[in-house]
Amino acid sequence: EAQVTQNPRYLITVTGKKLTVTCSQNMNHEYMSWYRQDPGLGLRQIYYSMNVEVTDKGDVPEGYKVSRKEKRNFPLILESPSPNQTSLYFCASSLRTGAQPQHFGDGTRLSIL
Amino acid sequence: AQKVTQAQTEISVVEKEDVTLDCVYETRDTTYYLFWYKQPPSGELVFLIRRNSFDEQNEISGRYSWNFQKSTSSFNFTITASQVVDSAVYFCALSVINNLFFGTGTRLTVIP
Repeated sequence: EAQVTQNPRYLITVTGKKLTVTCSQNMNHEYMSWYRQDPGLGLRQIYYSMNVEVTDKGDVPEGYKVSRKEKRNFPLILESPSPNQTSLYFCASSLRTGAQPQHFGDGTRLSIL
Repeated sequence: AQKVTQAQTEISVVEKEDVTLDCVYETRDTTYYLFWYKQPPSGELVFLIRRNSFDEQNEISGRYSWNFQKSTSSFNFTITASQVVDSAVYFCALSVINNLFFGTGTRLTVIP
């Protein structure tokens, strides 16, 4: 089954403790992206990747890192999480570009205390 | 700068009524793509439609239809004969190059 898999689905942690949210897709998609969803703000793009070793900033990249060492994986790293990064995070992928329909993961709800 | 505005935060309709969700976008790029996504109460995001900036044809898919007007920078979504299963948050989005910009969403509640 074609899917984008995020882990963990839920995480409660404390300020400053490094965390990684993994994202994996099995569709051989070149384009992958991370978004955060906050009430009243919709979804905002954090980072995207056009292919292996090619990443670029989205609208709200501050406080986040990403890497794309393999085509299928695109982890989101919070080196020193802060409470304002408490949010619902979605990973997505599409065949080649951001102009194509994206397949979204089920979301990861992060709470930073 | 790119921007998507969904002025309707919440809409409630009675089942079988028609409802239109508004979307207004801003961009200076001549090549762009517009999308609608649905987020049902279960939380996943589901792709509904994509339109490119050179194709102003309206589209109908079952009870769903979309009206794209470049003159008013709008890409509105109409649900005909709404059903309870249409209850969800609907997002309009604009893609320019490889960035994707979402509106703040419209929560639609269909009352049985």
